[in-house]
Amino acid sequence: AQSVTQLDSQVPVFEEAPVELRCNYSSSVSVYLFWYVQYPNQGLQLLLKYLSGSTLVKSINGFEAEFNKSQTSFHLRKPSVHISDTAEYFCAVSDTGGFKTIFGAGTRLFVKA
Amino acid sequence: KAGVTQTPRYLIKTRGQQVTLSCSPISGHRSVSWYQQTPGQGLQFLFEYFSETQRNKGNFPGRFSGRQFSNSRSEMNVSTLELGDSALYLCASSLGATSPETQYFGPGTRLLVL
Repeated sequence: AQSVTQLDSQVPVFEEAPVELRCNYSSSVSVYLFWYVQYPNQGLQLLLKYLSGSTLVKSINGFEAEFNKSQTSFHLRKPSVHISDTAEYFCAVSDTGGFKTIFGAGTRLFVKA
Repeated sequence: KAGVTQTPRYLIKTRGQQVTLSCSPISGHRSVSWYQQTPGQGLQFLFEYFSETQRNKGNFPGRFSGRQFSNSRSEMNVSTLELGDSALYLCASSLGATSPETQYFGPGTRLLVL
């Protein structure tokens, strides 16, 4: 069975500071990995995903995540955050054969001025 | 293209009642997944439908059921509501033909059970 652990439930950070949201997963099979973002009172939106190939994947708004197979991690980073990045971020894993996605508990990123 | 729509957006029920939630996927999407989101548990997978068939199921009691129609619209039903069923119920659609695919989420239905 797969599982996803997001190590921080809340991350407060000042505007323009760097941030890392941590995600570890467990799976006995090959996986695909995702980060979704949920803004207040909205549904989830895909931020970025790793399917294969380059282990570093990037989003259009400056976030990036690196797939580390040996450490079973997929941490999300941004070198300089904005107030508008305040949201809840979910890491998710899907095995390569199925149609079931398992989500982590979420990390609430709070960017302060 | 219109996004995923869910109705109703808010619902208040009392214990013991039943409720039906509706989800209309993006046009052309044939897979619909349902999730329960609560502050303590995060998102938990309920079930996934593709071409009117349940293809995957999470670990929820039989009080939670769903179905999908030929136009890919999906409904979720919860019978004999309990206080713990209060949550945001999210549905997500995808093309569904291959794994994995990006899921597109609706805004959710917020259910409060009193």
